[in-house]
Amino acid sequence: AQSVTQLGSHVSVSEGALVLLRCNYSSSVPPYLFWYVQYPNQGLQLLLKYTTGATLVKGINGFEAEFKKSETSFHLTKPSAHMSDAAEYFCAVVHTGGFKTIFGAGTRLFVKA
Amino acid sequence: GAGVSQSPSNKVTEKGKDVELRCDPISGHTALYWYRQSLGQGLEFLIYFQGNSAPDKSGLPSDRFSAERTGGSVSTLTIQRTQQEDSAVYLCASSLGAGLDEQYFGPGTRLTVT
Repeated sequence: AQSVTQLGSHVSVSEGALVLLRCNYSSSVPPYLFWYVQYPNQGLQLLLKYTTGATLVKGINGFEAEFKKSETSFHLTKPSAHMSDAAEYFCAVVHTGGFKTIFGAGTRLFVKA
Repeated sequence: GAGVSQSPSNKVTEKGKDVELRCDPISGHTALYWYRQSLGQGLEFLIYFQGNSAPDKSGLPSDRFSAERTGGSVSTLTIQRTQQEDSAVYLCASSLGAGLDEQYFGPGTRLTVT
């Protein structure tokens, strides 16, 4: 069965520092991969997704993620954190050709001034 | 344009009562999902509707949970004989199609069972 592991339920960074949120998945074949963000008091919205093609995917608000098949990872990064990045981030996978979306437990990002 | 809407936004009910949660997806979206988000947990898949196909109910936690989607649009999630462990935020999402299409989420319904 597919699963998604997000390492660290809470991550704290200083404003301007690198953001790295980790996501590993288990799947017998490479799935579709997503990152969603949930800002305080708002619904989830898509940050970026990987389906096929280039393994480095760029999303909104300066975020990007790289699909590494050998490591079964899809870590999310941003070179310089902004206060407005404080939110909860969810990694998700969908089995290729399927529809059922499996979400990770989420990582709450705190940004310190 | 209008996004996914859910009602009510908050629901407090007594243990043992039935509740109905409503989801209005984005017009034209054929796929509709229900998830449950408990405190400190990720999103737990409950059920999926795609067009006129039979729904995938594999995520429903018990037979107290059921869902309908009428006319390929509005969906209702019903929980019968609610239990305290049903307390959570119930999220609805819709997408143009399935799989790799972006899901658009509603604001959720916070259910509290006392």
